[in-house]
Amino acid sequence: AQTVTQSQPEMSVQEAETVTLSCTYDTSESDYYLFWYKQPPSRQMILVIRQEAYKQQNATENRFSVNFQKAAKSFSLKISDSQLGDAAMYFCAYRSPRGAGGTSYGKLTFGQGTILTVHP
Amino acid sequence: DTGVSQNPRHKITKRGQNVTFRCDPISEHNRLYWYRQTLGQGPEFLTYFQNEAQLEKSRLLSDRFSAERPKGSFSTLEIQRTEQGDSAMYLCAGGLGETQYFGPGTRLLVL
Repeated sequence: AQTVTQSQPEMSVQEAETVTLSCTYDTSESDYYLFWYKQPPSRQMILVIRQEAYKQQNATENRFSVNFQKAAKSFSLKISDSQLGDAAMYFCAYRSPRGAGGTSYGKLTFGQGTILTVHP
Repeated sequence: DTGVSQNPRHKITKRGQNVTFRCDPISEHNRLYWYRQTLGQGPEFLTYFQNEAQLEKSRLLSDRFSAERPKGSFSTLEIQRTEQGDSAMYLCAGGLGETQYFGPGTRLLVL
């Protein structure tokens, strides 16, 4: 079974600075997807960024970028020019390419989350 | 806004009662997932629908849990004979392409 580990329960950053959140995962699959989701307090979980394992190029979305190291099974999220609105719980997630019976169902396996605090 | 809505947003019930939650994805979401999230943890997969067919169920989904997706549109998750351990946030997600879009969740408290 796939596992996702976020080793940083909490992180903090000054407004306008850069912060990196870590994520490692374990899988025997070669083709899969990785995601970072953001969950603000008492609010909806929002997709931040996704990465396809077959792509060597790291994904970027405005101030958010990832460092995807497939061999090391590492998938970190870098937030540049941090803003107060970035404060949230961040989850790393692995999309399983196959489910029971060998059919692709795409369920997500999540890490434990990292609480990001942004200081003004 | 992901377009996925869930009702109710909060539910308080007494142990032993039955509860039902509803999820309304957007019409493009032919895939629908239910997850459970306890405080301070990441969501855990419960079950998956492809249109109206329930194709995968987690071992977390005990016999007291049942889910349906009639006509492949909205979905319901029912918990019978609730236990205090069922207290959690229940999240629904609609699948579009390779990505899942989450609703706001239903927070259940079992007293």
